[in-house]
This record gives sequence, C-alpha cells and structure tokens, in this order.
Amino acid sequence: DAGVIQSPRHEVTEMGQEVTLRCKPISGHNSLFWYRQTMMRGLELLIYFNNNVPIDDSGMPEDRFSAKMPNASFSTLKIQPSEPRDSAVYFCASNQGSTVPNYGYTFGSGTRLTVV
Amino acid sequence: KQEVTQIPAALSVPEGENLVLNCSFTDSAIYNLQWFRQDPGKGLTSLLLIQSSQREQTSGRLNASLDKSSGRSTLYIAASQPGDSATYLCAVRGLTGGGNKLTFGTGTQLKVEL
Repeated sequence: DAGVIQSPRHEVTEMGQEVTLRCKPISGHNSLFWYRQTMMRGLELLIYFNNNVPIDDSGMPEDRFSAKMPNASFSTLKIQPSEPRDSAVYFCASNQGSTVPNYGYTFGSGTRLTVV
Repeated sequence: KQEVTQIPAALSVPEGENLVLNCSFTDSAIYNLQWFRQDPGKGLTSLLLIQSSQREQTSGRLNASLDKSSGRSTLYIAASQPGDSATYLCAVRGLTGGGNKLTFGTGTQLKVEL
C-alpha cells in the first residue's frame, strides 16, 4: 500500500494565482479529509468527504477555497485567488471511518504552500 | 465544541529517561484517541490508536493510556532516544458532528539529548 499520496510536495506561487492541491487516498478508504497546519493555529480541518460527498466544510476559510472529490481515488483542494496568508502545509488524510468507526486515520506527507 | 490540550508544549530530556506526555479533552463523547508523531517538515505518523472502550495500548517502548471519563490520555515513552525527538500530537475522534472528525491538540515538542 502506497499510503495517502499528495502532490505537489512544495508549491510556490504569486499572490492572486490559482493553486490546486491533489490527493489520492488509500484504496478502500471511504472518507477523505483536508487539513491545514500553521504555526499559529496548529492543525485545522478544512473539509471532509464520506463516499465522495462533502459532509462538513465548515472549516473552509472563505469562498476562495473549494474542494472536490470526483471519484473514490482522487480529490483536489483549490485556492483561487491565493493570498500570502494561505501559506501553510496542507495535509490530506483518509480512513474507513464512515463504516468502521474504530478505524484510525492515515495522513499524507503534505503540500507546503508558499504564496509570495 | 471539543478542545484538546497538550502539556507540556515543549520538553527536553537526556537520553535514557522515561517520560510522559499529557493530553486532555473537554468532551468525553469520543470513538477513539490517536497519538501521532511529526518530524520537522514531514507528515504525521500514527503511533497508537486507543478505542473508547480501551484503557491502554502498547507498541514497543510506547504506552498510551486513556481515561475517557476524566478526559485524559498519556503517552509514556520508555528509555528515550535521540531518534524520539519530534512533535507528538494527540487527536480525538468525536461522536458528534458526523462522527468522523479528528480534533488535534497543539502538540508537545520533544527533544532528547545525548
């Protein structure tokens, strides 16, 4: 099992540009999560999906952020337009949580986003 | 709203010491609690997962306990080594809000010195 795969590992972009982060969950996992980590706020849940359907997006900071999960093996987090305060590490995680409540989470290696 | 607190925020110990990291949470309605390790610039590695019905879990030199009623968990590291230096995060999975959300503590940054 290759684990949760995120791309790119690092992204540097200019303010105002569109940024797309990608995630491939572990095969067979039916829940997918996007987290953001900053020094000031720690790890924050942005949005999560069960069976490709967004369940809770209350953590999405504003309309500039959007997430999609077109199928069970792929998800994107898009920021448009990007701002310097969006600079953070974005993690994707997956689990079998919607059907197996006792299951733990597996995290990807993260995407370090820098907006200049 | 679930809040998770970790004490201490940072800890420095000499190699070989046994140590305890603390985690407390405000809402005891949880499925489970998970301890993670994060190395600088890296992702999160799961260390131990304790179900709400369990009291403790062990893996090698690590032992995690859970007292759900009092909202506390501890991570015990025996015979610490420099390779244990990392940030340790605890996270609880709550029963509410869809039952599949992890709330993280702010972490304990551990440094084990030679």
